[in-house]
Amino acid sequence: GNSVTQMEGPVTLSEEAFLTINCTYTATGYPSLFWYVQYPGEGLQLLLKATKADDKGSNKGFEATYRKETTSFHLEKGSVQVSDSAVYFCALGDSSYKLIFGSGTRLLVRP
Amino acid sequence: EAGVAQSPRYKIIEKRQSVAFWCNPISGHATLYWYQQILGQGPKLLIQFQNNGVVDDSQLPKDRFSAERLKGVDSTLKIQPAKLEDSAVYLCASSLGVGREEAFFGQGTRLTVV
Repeated sequence: GNSVTQMEGPVTLSEEAFLTINCTYTATGYPSLFWYVQYPGEGLQLLLKATKADDKGSNKGFEATYRKETTSFHLEKGSVQVSDSAVYFCALGDSSYKLIFGSGTRLLVRP
Repeated sequence: EAGVAQSPRYKIIEKRQSVAFWCNPISGHATLYWYQQILGQGPKLLIQFQNNGVVDDSQLPKDRFSAERLKGVDSTLKIQPAKLEDSAVYLCASSLGVGREEAFFGQGTRLTVV
């Protein structure tokens, strides 16, 4: 069945460091791919999305490119801030509108 | 635009008691999801509705969990009887349901079973 695998955390970085959180997926057909973020004490929010191969989603300085050849959707940010500390979830949406999540990666950014 | 509303925000019950959660999705959203998120894990889909029909309930523990979606709008999720391992955050989400678009989440209900 369809699934999402993320790198385990926590990921600890200093402010202004470069961030990469790896995400790979297994799916039949052509899923949509998403990154959701969960800030402390808050609900899940969509961070960015891509709906077809080679699409790049971007928001708030974060980017991810839908790579069909490597079945990946890695999240990147050039310079993280303390306010980016949160849990990040990679997810895929399949043809039956099912939304499947990875296990999440906690990011901690230190001043 | 109003978001997905859930209530209550928090609930503490004893094991073997029953509990119910309520969700009001974004107006016009055909797809409604209930997820269970155990601390430190990703959300696990319990049940997915398309309008008022069930699309997927393969991971719903049907001996104790039940869900319904009234007139294709509001939804309730019930647990009876609760077990300690049901302690989790229960998330409701909705989407337009016309393509592989994103879902919008409520704040969740944190359930503690003691």
